[in-house]
Amino acid sequence: DVKVTQSSRYLVKRTGEKVFLECVQDMDHENMFWYRQDPGLGLRLIYFSYDVKMKEKGDIPEGYSVSREKKERFSLILESASTNQTSMYLCASSFPFGVVSPLHFGNGTRLTVT
Amino acid sequence: KQEVTQIPAALSVPEGENLVLNCSFTDSAIYNLQWFRQDPGKGLTSLLLIQSSQREQTSGRLNASLDKSSGRSTLYIAASQPGDSATYLCAVAGANSKLTFGKGITLSVRP
Repeated sequence: DVKVTQSSRYLVKRTGEKVFLECVQDMDHENMFWYRQDPGLGLRLIYFSYDVKMKEKGDIPEGYSVSREKKERFSLILESASTNQTSMYLCASSFPFGVVSPLHFGNGTRLTVT
Repeated sequence: KQEVTQIPAALSVPEGENLVLNCSFTDSAIYNLQWFRQDPGKGLTSLLLIQSSQREQTSGRLNASLDKSSGRSTLYIAASQPGDSATYLCAVAGANSKLTFGKGITLSVRP
């Protein structure tokens, strides 16, 4: 079974802190994604990556950056956390476009910024 | 821009009922459509994936259909059980594997 592991289930950070959310997958997937999920807004794509050191902006990249130094690891960085970044963050991975492959999600990190 | 709609937002049914969850999308140029289940406070679990060239997929008591021309998909759950209570999301994949998600339908199956 594919496993996507997010390093923290719950995080509480203060406004202005730099925050790192880590995600690791064990299926050699090329694609990795970061979403945030908010009540009434659904899932929104923040950033995605097709390969090591490759990244592309999703629908709401402002205030975030990402890093993919190794194929299995995709990190989301909040450069200066703000209260409007309080949310559930979900990492996902899949095989590349052209391969029939469902998206596999981690269990999420619930981030609270105070 | 692709938009995915799931109506109603919530549904409550008695145990044993067969039910249909609906999903509609605005752009028929899709690569595939996926149905997911999400339990409270957890991530999403993939249920079924239908490629754009397919009409339906089945897994156990679940059957998903796809009508690209009308921009619709349905998830059929046979003989519903309390353990089926969860939020069900559909998502359509466009170019480069990017998915656009609906907001989900929260299903409650009453014993």
